[in-house]
Amino acid sequence: KNEVEQSPQNLTAQEGEFITINCSYSVGISALHWLQQHPGGGIVSLFMLSSGKKKHGRLIATINIQEKHSSLHITASHPRDSAVYICALYGGATNKLIFGTGTLLAVQP
Amino acid sequence: EPEVTQTPSHQVTQMGQEVILRCVPISNHLYFYWYRQILGQKVEFLVSFYNNEISEKSEIFDDQFSVERPDGSNFTLKIRSTKLEDSAMYFCASIGTKANSGNTIYFGEGSWLTVV
Repeated sequence: KNEVEQSPQNLTAQEGEFITINCSYSVGISALHWLQQHPGGGIVSLFMLSSGKKKHGRLIATINIQEKHSSLHITASHPRDSAVYICALYGGATNKLIFGTGTLLAVQP
Repeated sequence: EPEVTQTPSHQVTQMGQEVILRCVPISNHLYFYWYRQILGQKVEFLVSFYNNEISEKSEIFDDQFSVERPDGSNFTLKIRSTKLEDSAMYFCASIGTKANSGNTIYFGEGSWLTVV
């Protein structure tokens, strides 16, 4: 069983739509990252969360530690948001990131 | 904006050859990582490095792999005798402090290795 599960695996949206990507995990964590990977391959950290909610521009990330669940929301989506979004977490005793499988988002104009 | 740089961006090598992938982490960072991503699959942890030694490694990181930080700036991944299944994108990453301390992690753009 994967320690990190993301849903959906693929998501197609129309420009302007509100998007939610979900991440559930089964291990105790110290922090969770939402990462963005563009077709060229590079990975960028969007958020690091250990509790509550963070907002950056049109992106919002939330985490519920008790329910072992995190969500990434994109408001007013745009074609340039098209990318793979990855949930990755630090387990309590480890210094490495455990990656989810990613959600491939395509925003159509 | 600080950045992690990797070279080469793409390398094609014959099976059995040695490959060295290079990374320059952010200068004041303390923890360094190598991850790999086989085409179409998720990113996998290979190894973490702290205080000039390996702090953790995955089962993928067998005797064919080694890492070192020879000069205090470069961080290298060596694959001694490449196999076809080593074909993947290899990412270097660094973080300033202990991973769960609240600092973000920075990734390089990746080195795409093709073994033929």
